[in-house]
Amino acid sequence: KAGVTQTPRYLIKTRGQQVTLSCSPISGHRSVSWYQQTPGQGLQFLFEYFSETQRNKGNFPGRFSGRQFSNSRSEMNVSTLELGDSALYLCASSLTGITNEKLFFGSGTQLSVL
Amino acid sequence: DQQVKQNSPSLSVQEGRISILNCDYTNSMFDYFLWYKKYPAEGPTFLISISSIKDKNEDGRFTVFLNKSAKHLSLHIVPSQPGDSAVYFCGGGTSYGKLTFGQGTILTVHP
Repeated sequence: KAGVTQTPRYLIKTRGQQVTLSCSPISGHRSVSWYQQTPGQGLQFLFEYFSETQRNKGNFPGRFSGRQFSNSRSEMNVSTLELGDSALYLCASSLTGITNEKLFFGSGTQLSVL
Repeated sequence: DQQVKQNSPSLSVQEGRISILNCDYTNSMFDYFLWYKKYPAEGPTFLISISSIKDKNEDGRFTVFLNKSAKHLSLHIVPSQPGDSAVYFCGGGTSYGKLTFGQGTILTVHP
């Protein structure tokens, strides 16, 4: 069974630009969550999607948005990039998203904002 | 508001000794806790979990302890091995889809 796939692996953008990150979950998994990893803040929850609906949202500004498609693939968009958005963005999938299910993470997209 | 805190950014241990990683949480509604391990250039992988109805869960060399009154979680690794060197994240949550993680602790196990 293929794991969680995130593309691209690396991205370099400049301030003010926008970026779209992609995540393909494990086949059969309907819940997709996104996390931001930075050295000082650890893993911060961005949002979670289930059956194309955003079910949970973290404390990030509206510049961060996402969506999920009918095949459970998910995209995350960040508009008007700021230097502080430089981070590793991780996507995780699980069957239904209940808390006691294991999350399966992708390797992440490393975003650098210059 | 950091609901889950790992106050030790790093921990260094000798091979064969015990590693103890600590985690504190503030949300008394959390009913499920877990630990994930992350190697460089890889995504985190599930390590061990514990429900709030238990105070201990073991899986091989890994044991998680939960002290609900102190809102404290710890992970014990015995014996520690060099391959355990990684970043460890603790997390807690309730209901669906939103797990809150700590800042992570970098564990280094020296041969």
